[in-house]
Amino acid sequence: NAGVTQTPKFQVLKTGQSMTLQCAQDMNHNSMYWYRQDPGMGLRLIYYSASEGTTDKGEVPNGYNVSRLNKREFSLRLESAAPSQTSVYFCASSGRGDEKLFFGSGTQLSVL
Amino acid sequence: GENVGLHLPTLSVQEGDNSIINCAYSNSASDYFIWYKQESGKGPQFIIDIRSNMDKRQGQRVTVLLNKTVKHLSLQIAATQPGDSAVYFCAETAQGAQKLVFGQGTRLTINP
Repeated sequence: NAGVTQTPKFQVLKTGQSMTLQCAQDMNHNSMYWYRQDPGMGLRLIYYSASEGTTDKGEVPNGYNVSRLNKREFSLRLESAAPSQTSVYFCASSGRGDEKLFFGSGTQLSVL
Repeated sequence: GENVGLHLPTLSVQEGDNSIINCAYSNSASDYFIWYKQESGKGPQFIIDIRSNMDKRQGQRVTVLLNKTVKHLSLQIAATQPGDSAVYFCAETAQGAQKLVFGQGTRLTINP
């Protein structure tokens, strides 16, 4: 049972480049989330999807877009990367009626 | 916004001793709390949770205490082992909020 799988694990971008972070879960969870983690800042919510077909902004959505492709997959897109988006990105999921999140192993992104 | 914070950013304990990690929260509407453990290079891993109708919950070597009067949460780890070295996060949510709010984290280091 893989749980939550994120790709890629590492990525280096130049300012202005675009990329998509992929996330998939195999636990049949309804809700999926994207967080970013910066030193001293804890985990901050970027976007979430409470169910297939819906997405909502979190605490720090600017500069990002998301797509809930189906129940399993939730992608995060940076259209024009900026150095301020250098961070570790985590995808998470939770089951119906369960606030407990299960996290992927993260994507380390550097924007130069 | 309201934050979930930690009293100490770092904690160093002797192997075999008990560890206590503290967390203060300010949202009086929060009714569900979680502790996560994050090892280097990995995503956060669920340790234990507690609802606001309880003041104590025990797991394997871990105990979470909730004091709603002073809005304080603590994680106690018994007989700390080298494998307990990690960053520990508390997180909170209120019913229907759909998302967890994380504290900044406490780094626990174990001295041999």
